[in-house]
Amino acid sequence: SQTIHQWPATLVQPVGSPLSLECTVEGTSNPNLYWYRQAAGRGLQLLFYSVGIGQISSEVPQNLSASRPQDRQFILSSKKLLLSDSGFYLCAWSQRGPVARANTQYFGPGTRLTVL
Amino acid sequence: AQSVTQPDIHITVSEGASLELRCNYSYGATPYLFWYVQSPGQGLQLLLKYFSGDTLVQGIKGFEAEFKRSQSSFNLRKPSVHWSDAAEYFCAVGHTSGTYKYIFGTGTRLKVLA
Repeated sequence: SQTIHQWPATLVQPVGSPLSLECTVEGTSNPNLYWYRQAAGRGLQLLFYSVGIGQISSEVPQNLSASRPQDRQFILSSKKLLLSDSGFYLCAWSQRGPVARANTQYFGPGTRLTVL
Repeated sequence: AQSVTQPDIHITVSEGASLELRCNYSYGATPYLFWYVQSPGQGLQLLLKYFSGDTLVQGIKGFEAEFKRSQSSFNLRKPSVHWSDAAEYFCAVGHTSGTYKYIFGTGTRLKVLA
């Protein structure tokens, strides 16, 4: 069966510090990968998605970047964090293949980021 | 424009009562439809999905949803709510072609009274 991991689970960082959040998927190959942010009291905002190694699509221009160095690894980064980067970050994956299958996303446990 | 609306931000029900969470969408064709549940501090868990066929879809944890094309709705139901169902519920629309991105509703927070 497939499993998705995220770490760290929680993170407290000062403003202006760098960020690296990691997401890995087990039990599947060539997944589509997604990064979402969920700010307090708000819905889910898609930040980035990737359909393959080195292929990143950005949804919202901002202080963050994403990379996919390996097939099942997705990294969210920032060079200098802002207060507004605080939130709950969720990674998700979906299978490659027919449109219907590729549309079903499975979410990781999330990372709670607090920027002080 | 494509959108998903969950009209109820908060819903409170008593344990054992029935539940219906509303979801309306705006989309050019019949979309793929999903319901997810999120417990506090956790990720999202897929409850059920609709792609085509039977408009009444059964999911996990005793949930079901009915797709009504004429009303552009995909409401989630459960006949008898348990205290453990207290969580936030998200409706989402998936595109039937092109990208694999979702359009999420803003969520409905369910409180269950003992």
